[in-house]
Amino acid sequence: EVQLLESGGGLVQPGGSLRLSCAASGFTFSNYAMSWVRQAPGKGLEWVSGISGSGGNTYYADSVKGRFTISRDNSKNTLYLQLNSLRAEDTALYYCAKVNRITMVQGVADYWGQGTLVTVSS
Amino acid sequence: DIQMTQSPSTLSASVGDRVTITCRASQSIGTWLAWYQQKPGKAPKLLIYKASTLETGVPSRFSGSGSGTEFTLTISSLQPDDFATYYCQQYNSYSPWTFGQGTKVEIK
Repeated sequence: EVQLLESGGGLVQPGGSLRLSCAASGFTFSNYAMSWVRQAPGKGLEWVSGISGSGGNTYYADSVKGRFTISRDNSKNTLYLQLNSLRAEDTALYYCAKVNRITMVQGVADYWGQGTLVTVSS
Repeated sequence: DIQMTQSPSTLSASVGDRVTITCRASQSIGTWLAWYQQKPGKAPKLLIYKASTLETGVPSRFSGSGSGTEFTLTISSLQPDDFATYYCQQYNSYSPWTFGQGTKVEIK
């Protein structure tokens, strides 16, 4: 059974940093791209970032480019998202999602975690 | 980036009704379109990908159609478990993922 467990969310001041983690199990982690998608309270879904199965290709939404960094450790079956220079508008539930291909290209999110909440406020 | 527009934003329907949700892309995406269902407090669930391919385990009352810029999600006979918010998502090769704004299916 595929399981994705996010952690690392919390309350942070504007300009601060957080690192989110997503522990994966139930599939061969390195064979699949992974992605982060966020959802602001009461709002819709917004794709944030994606990474290929090898970690060699990374992708970012314009809204986070230069501030967020996605990475993965295939030996630990774990996906990460480093969030820097946080803004109030980054407040959201951050979901980790497994992509159904080794590459982000033409892949969709077929499994999702339950999310970790990031709140940016002074 | 490619913009996705869903209609309606809210839909009131009764159990047993046939329900159709429309999703339009700002430019052609071929059939690189997925549909997700999200219930309150839960993560999204993949229903359909490649515009019309049903994900394993999804009931056959769900179907998807369309290509290019116009797509539909149809629920042939609405069940109590289907009251939720539905999102379309494009995953065209040359563009980051983008989602529609969502369609909430409510009990009439």
